[in-house]
Amino acid sequence: KAGVTQTPRYLIKTRGQQVTLSCSPISGHRSVSWYQQTPGQGLQFLFEYFSETQRNKGNFPGRFSGRQFSNSRSEMNVSTLELGDSALYLCASQKGGTEEGYTFGSGTRLTVV
Amino acid sequence: AQKITQTQPGMFVQEKEAVTLDCTYDTSDPSYGLFWYKQPSSGEMIFLIYQGSYDQQNATEGRYSLNFQKARKSANLVISASQLGDSAMYFCAMRPTGTASKLTFGTGTRLQVTL
Repeated sequence: KAGVTQTPRYLIKTRGQQVTLSCSPISGHRSVSWYQQTPGQGLQFLFEYFSETQRNKGNFPGRFSGRQFSNSRSEMNVSTLELGDSALYLCASQKGGTEEGYTFGSGTRLTVV
Repeated sequence: AQKITQTQPGMFVQEKEAVTLDCTYDTSDPSYGLFWYKQPSSGEMIFLIYQGSYDQQNATEGRYSLNFQKARKSANLVISASQLGDSAMYFCAMRPTGTASKLTFGTGTRLQVTL
């Protein structure tokens, strides 16, 4: 079965611009979570969506936002990009209601110049 | 709040040998799950193994086993018969049981398997 698909894989943006990243979860999975991974801060939780509702949010500024569509696909948006937003952004999907492992995508590597 | 500590930034192991990657955790939640993920240089996080805090037996998945010691709050990953393809970053993570909760990750251990 198809895994979690994240697009694009690589992205280069300029400071001040905005960016939208996309995540298509495994078919039947209703929960999508986003994580930011940087060398300095490690893996940090951004937010989680379940059935189009944000049900948990990490400690990130309001420039980071997300949404989930009725087909469970999710997007995250970062506005007014800063150099420190350069990171690997990982999306994970889960069926919901299970304690088994999340399935992650390959990530989007964002570079802000 | 939850905290995961991985004290080994890097480990070397010879091919076909076993290796243990350490993980300790801290949480006040009565029920939680512990996870191990592998991250090769490609970036994808690959789920390896899961242990529930109330599971009586240690989890095993093929060459991976989790040495869970609840009283000591440790959840070490044991990889048996290491292979060159095991070279990667390994992350320990935890999540309280229930909805609307997030994974908290450790800082990771870079494992290098040598000939």
